[in-house]
Amino acid sequence: DAKTTQPNSMESNEEEPVHLPCNHSTISGTDYIHWYRQLPSQGPEYVIHGLTSNVNNRMASLAIAEDRKSSTLILHRATLRDAAVYYCILRDPASRGGATNKLIFGTGTLLAVQP
Amino acid sequence: DTEVTQTPKHLVMGMTNKKSLKCEQHMGHRAMYWYKQKAKKPPELMFVYSYEKLSINESVPSRFSPECPNSSLLNLHLHALQPEDSALYLCASRPGDIYYEQYFGPGTRLTVT
Repeated sequence: DAKTTQPNSMESNEEEPVHLPCNHSTISGTDYIHWYRQLPSQGPEYVIHGLTSNVNNRMASLAIAEDRKSSTLILHRATLRDAAVYYCILRDPASRGGATNKLIFGTGTLLAVQP
Repeated sequence: DTEVTQTPKHLVMGMTNKKSLKCEQHMGHRAMYWYKQKAKKPPELMFVYSYEKLSINESVPSRFSPECPNSSLLNLHLHALQPEDSALYLCASRPGDIYYEQYFGPGTRLTVT
């Protein structure tokens, strides 16, 4: 199974940008890179996903390295509400296509945001 | 309705009890998932239902029995659990084949005594 590696924890100051790194050196050519976050006492929440090109949405940006072996989730202005565990996830190659879409969660990065 | 709901929020059960966890979504999603999450660990997939049929069982012990009575409802029946089964049980749903985003419920916090 393709796996991801993330720092255990990171700190940021409120209203500053945050760059959350993820390594996925065994990614296969058609695997999408997904990011989810889990706020305290809640279920995980989808943040963004991408394949090769950088992606932007209302929550964050995703920068994908040219060789696709790493990616970075960018929160442009961190708020206290962004304090959460951020998971970088690869879609299981065995479930490529079809409706199963098995996600393999890594250990995640605990982001602390200081006021 | 754009959310996944789970009941109960908390459940305490003895090792000889039988209980069920319930998950509902009314978004027309065709895939539904059960995950187990231990404290300070990532979620681990247990079961996947696709179009109301069990498509993935991640070698889960038989004391956990999933059921999908219809496209909106997913149950997890629990029997003869062990204290180590205490965890947060998360349900998720996904629209269908071409969609990648999973929508998670808030979870049921289960304690086995």
